[in-house]
Amino acid sequence: EDQVTQSPEALRLQEGESSSLNCSYTVSGLRGLFWYRQDPGKGPEFLFTLYSAGEEKEKERLKATLTKKESFLHITAPKPEDSATYLCAVRGAGNMLTFGGGTRLMVKP
Amino acid sequence: GAGVSQSPSNKVTEKGKDVELRCDPISGHTALYWYRQRLGQGLEFLIYFQGNSAPDKSGLPSDRFSAERTGESVSTLTIQRTQQEDSAVYLCASSLVFRYDEQFFGPGTRLTVL
Repeated sequence: EDQVTQSPEALRLQEGESSSLNCSYTVSGLRGLFWYRQDPGKGPEFLFTLYSAGEEKEKERLKATLTKKESFLHITAPKPEDSATYLCAVRGAGNMLTFGGGTRLMVKP
Repeated sequence: GAGVSQSPSNKVTEKGKDVELRCDPISGHTALYWYRQRLGQGLEFLIYFQGNSAPDKSGLPSDRFSAERTGESVSTLTIQRTQQEDSAVYLCASSLVFRYDEQFFGPGTRLTVL
């Protein structure tokens, strides 16, 4: 059974204070690791897909990296508008994505 | 063009009643997914439709849950004899065929079972 664990559950940062979110996973035959952003009352919004260890993707202040056991979402010099819940998901052999519980990020001005 | 839409946005029902939730996917998206999100938790996969293929129902939690989709259009998720533990946000997503990464989500339906 595929499993995804995200840590920390919640993270408070000051504006400009860089940090990383962790996503640990176990999956039979990884066919993609996905990061989503979810704002309150809305559906998740796709950010990145990573397929193989060593791969990195960047978008504005966010950078996602992947190893064989975990993925990190690095946030550089965050702004208050980066406050959201960040979800990690993996796809194994089937059609479904298995999601972690998310990390709720709060960035204070 | 329009994104994924879901209706109703909120539904309050009494325990034991049946509810129907609706999802309108993005036009041209042949794949459609239903997820459940309990308060403060991640998404649980429920069911996946791809074109005219048999749906993947492996995530449905009980036989009280069912879903239908007509062709590549609207889908309805039905929960019969609702229980309090069914209270959650039900999210629908759609994507182009085999584009599991680029799933576009609707705003969800918040279901409260009293």
